[in-house]
Amino acid sequence: DGGITQSPKYLFRKEGQNVTLSCEQNLNHDAMYWYRQDPGQGLRLIYYSQIVNDFQKGDIAEGYSVSREKKESFPLTVTSAQKNPTAFYLCASRWAGVSPLHFGNGTRLTVT
Amino acid sequence: AQSVTQLGSHVSVSEGALVLLRCNYSSSVPPYLFWYVQYPNQGLQLLLKYTSAATLVKGINGFEAEFKKSETSFHLTKPSAHMSDAAEYFCAVRADTGTASKLTFGTGTRLQVTL
Repeated sequence: DGGITQSPKYLFRKEGQNVTLSCEQNLNHDAMYWYRQDPGQGLRLIYYSQIVNDFQKGDIAEGYSVSREKKESFPLTVTSAQKNPTAFYLCASRWAGVSPLHFGNGTRLTVT
Repeated sequence: AQSVTQLGSHVSVSEGALVLLRCNYSSSVPPYLFWYVQYPNQGLQLLLKYTSAATLVKGINGFEAEFKKSETSFHLTKPSAHMSDAAEYFCAVRADTGTASKLTFGTGTRLQVTL
């Protein structure tokens, strides 16, 4: 079955450590996105990529980094510079044009 | 710039009653509008989308939404609520400008369905 796989589902880290969240899609989608979800704040865009080897900052990119070396993969690194990293992270992808976003099941990151 | 406002962070209805979740948008260009549903600890699932064709859009699970340009609204309705409809619902707007294509989400409405 085609879809978006985010791993792991739960992730725990100590403050000061970098951590990388995985996102893989087999839908042959062109664009990929990372959102952060906090209670009562909806989804906020971190980074997005419309083609391989190119990506743009979203609304809250500070403290995060991404890469897009392959069409199907868009990993997100949460660096120690991110002041409030504990959140639910959602990866999404879509074809070009007016197609809607398809979401993975998310990774819940807890930093203590 | 584009934005979405969802009125009411929590809505409670009785099983069998009408569901109405409100969404108003702001966009400088003709928008594309979406409703998504999220169950606990899961990703978002598309309910329906408006892409400038029919103003009344039908989606999955019996939901529908009507695009009203004069009111800048895209409210989500379902005639009869079911217990399985309890979830969080997000309205989103996309306004393509140049090469950018970003989806902006509202803050969500949690729907509770009671017996």
